Amino acid sequence: ELKVEQNPLFLSMQEGKNYTIYCNYSTTSDRLYWYRQDPGKSLESLFVLLSNGAVKQEGRLMASLDTKARLSTLHITAAVHDLSATYFCAVDNTDKLIFGTGTRLQVFP
Amino acid sequence: NAGVTQTPKFQVLKTGQSMTLQCAQDMNHNSMYWYRQDPGMGLRLIYYSASEGTTDKGEVPNGYNVSRLNKREFSLRLESAAPSQTSVYFCASSGGGHYNQPQHFGDGTRLSIL
Repeated sequence: ELKVEQNPLFLSMQEGKNYTIYCNYSTTSDRLYWYRQDPGKSLESLFVLLSNGAVKQEGRLMASLDTKARLSTLHITAAVHDLSATYFCAVDNTDKLIFGTGTRLQVFP
Repeated sequence: NAGVTQTPKFQVLKTGQSMTLQCAQDMNHNSMYWYRQDPGMGLRLIYYSASEGTTDKGEVPNGYNVSRLNKREFSLRLESAAPSQTSVYFCASSGGGHYNQPQHFGDGTRLSIL
């Protein structure tokens, strides 16, 4: 059974700082997705990672995938308040997604 | 372009009542999904449909039924609602299979069972 673990579950960051969210999964998969969810809203796709060593960047966010280590990271550079949200990783399991529990990010001045 | 549309957005039921949550997508996607999201947890898959005419159970199917009415529509039915089914329900769709596309989510249905 595929399990997906994220850490930390909660992250409070000061603006301008850097930090990394980790996503570990238990069985082989070569497709991983990152989503963002604002409070009371739907999920928005951020990144699609399709192969070992894949790296994607959008603004202050950069995601990477290491399929051998079964690990994906979401790196935040110079955080700003607008990045405050909950971030989910999701691992493909034969066309079904298994989600991590999410990382709630709060960025303060 | 509407994407994935869910109705209703909010609903309050009494224990034992039944209801159907509706979902429609206009992206010509093959695959559709129903998830529930509970506080402090990620999304858990209830049922999915890889193509028109097929449905399969996900992680938490008990107490639910689904119908893939056509390529656009995928409904979720609670036959006898229980307080444990209080949750936010999300419908999603994707190209499926080899398309390697992310799933697109609706705005959710907030359901309370009293």
